[in-house]
Amino acid sequence: AQSVAQPEDQVNVAEGNPLTVKCTYSVSGNPYLFWYVQYPNRGLQFLLKYITGDNLVKGSYGFEAEFNKSQTSFHLKKPSALVSDSALYFCAVSPGGYNKLIFGAGTRLAVHP
Amino acid sequence: NAGVTQTPKFRILKIGQSMTLQCTQDMNHNYMYWYRQDPGMGLKLIYYSVGAGITDKGEVPNGYNVSRSTTEDFPLRLELAAPSQTSVYFCASTPGRVNYGYTFGSGTRLTVV
Repeated sequence: AQSVAQPEDQVNVAEGNPLTVKCTYSVSGNPYLFWYVQYPNRGLQFLLKYITGDNLVKGSYGFEAEFNKSQTSFHLKKPSALVSDSALYFCAVSPGGYNKLIFGAGTRLAVHP
Repeated sequence: NAGVTQTPKFRILKIGQSMTLQCTQDMNHNYMYWYRQDPGMGLKLIYYSVGAGITDKGEVPNGYNVSRSTTEDFPLRLELAAPSQTSVYFCASTPGRVNYGYTFGSGTRLTVV
């Protein structure tokens, strides 16, 4: 079965420190990979995507993600966390790029002052 | 552009009641989706549509119905509400078959009591 795993329910990090939110996937075909962020009582907002090309992709608000085909991972990173980054983060994949998104369960990021 | 608009934002239903969740997009997107979000479970696909007059089931379609009479509108119908349908519902759209990412609405929080 095709799936996306976000192994951490919550990630805690101090403001100013680097952060990583992990995502691994299991799909057939070349995946299109996405990260979305959800703030309280809001819809999901697009952060970044990997379609093809450079394995390191940059997105909104200083976030970036690294595609690793051999490890089937697409971890979200930021060099210096802000308290305002605290939110729920979803990893998603479109198998082969021609199919609807499959979402992970989400990881809550808490950045402490 | 308004993007994807969902109404209502909140609703409380009694068991057995019916209601329609509205979703409208003004981006001329052909593909539209309904997801439900349960705590710790990520997003589950209920129904989707690839164009006016065409709909198909997702992972969790039981208890729901949809229609797509126009490109803009994709309403979700609950016929006999059950407590298990208490959730947050999100509508999303994307232009076409190649999935470059969704645009989400802000969600409808539904409670069935």
